[in-house]
Amino acid sequence: GAVVSQHPSRVICKSGTSVKIECRSLDFQATTMFWYRQFPKKSLMLMATSNEGSKATYEQGVEKDKFLINHASLTLSTLTVTSAHPEDSSFYICSATDSSGASLYEQYFGPGTRLTVT
Amino acid sequence: AQSVAQPEDQVNVAEGNPLTVKCTYSVSGNPYLFWYVQYPNRGLQFLLKYITGDNLVKGSYGFEAEFNKSQTSFHLKKPSALVSDSALYFCAVTLNQAGTALIFGKGTTLSVSS
Repeated sequence: GAVVSQHPSRVICKSGTSVKIECRSLDFQATTMFWYRQFPKKSLMLMATSNEGSKATYEQGVEKDKFLINHASLTLSTLTVTSAHPEDSSFYICSATDSSGASLYEQYFGPGTRLTVT
Repeated sequence: AQSVAQPEDQVNVAEGNPLTVKCTYSVSGNPYLFWYVQYPNRGLQFLLKYITGDNLVKGSYGFEAEFNKSQTSFHLKKPSALVSDSALYFCAVTLNQAGTALIFGKGTTLSVSS
C-alpha cells in the first residue's frame, strides 16, 4: 500500500517550453502533497506544499509563476515548469501524506522525474 | 526552525566492517526522525523511523539507528556493511502536524569497498 507514482519519469524539453509533471497517490487519498527539487548529489530542497483544493504554499525563493502547482483532487498534484530554461534541469520528487492515516508525519515518495532542458 | 545536519559528505568502509552515518537535528518539540536511501537516478527508499518508544530502531536491510535526545542525534548504523549498501543516505526530521514537510540533511554518500 501507500504507493506514489510520478509521470513522466524522464523528460527532455527545449528551452522556452513548458513541462507538466504528475504526482499520483495510487491507493490512498492525499490532502497534502509536497514537491522537492534535487540537484546532483545534493539534498532535497522543498519547493512547495500542495493542498487539495487550495493554493500551494511556496518556499522562499521559489517562483510561484514559474513552478505552477495544481492539486485538483485528493490523488493528483501537478507541477508545471513554465518557460523552462537549462537551469531548471533537475530531479523533481513528490511526496504525499495519507489523509485518512493516523500518522500525519508519514510521507510516501514518488520515484522522481528527471527534467533536462536543452 | 527545524534543521538536520549530516556532518560527513562521504563515509568509506570495507565490506564486512560496521558502518555509521551521522545525523544531528534541531527542532522545537518532539522530533520524528527518518532515514532514507537513494540509489542513482531513483527516488527515496524508506529505511527506518523514530517516533516514540524504544530509542533503538531497527529498519530495512539490517540497518538500525539510535535516538539520543541529550545529544540530539540519530545516527544510522549497520553491523556488517555490504557493497550493495553503497548509496546516498538522507536523514530527515518533521513534526506530527498536518501539512508539515520533511526537512532533509544534505546527504551522506556511503561507499563500501570489497
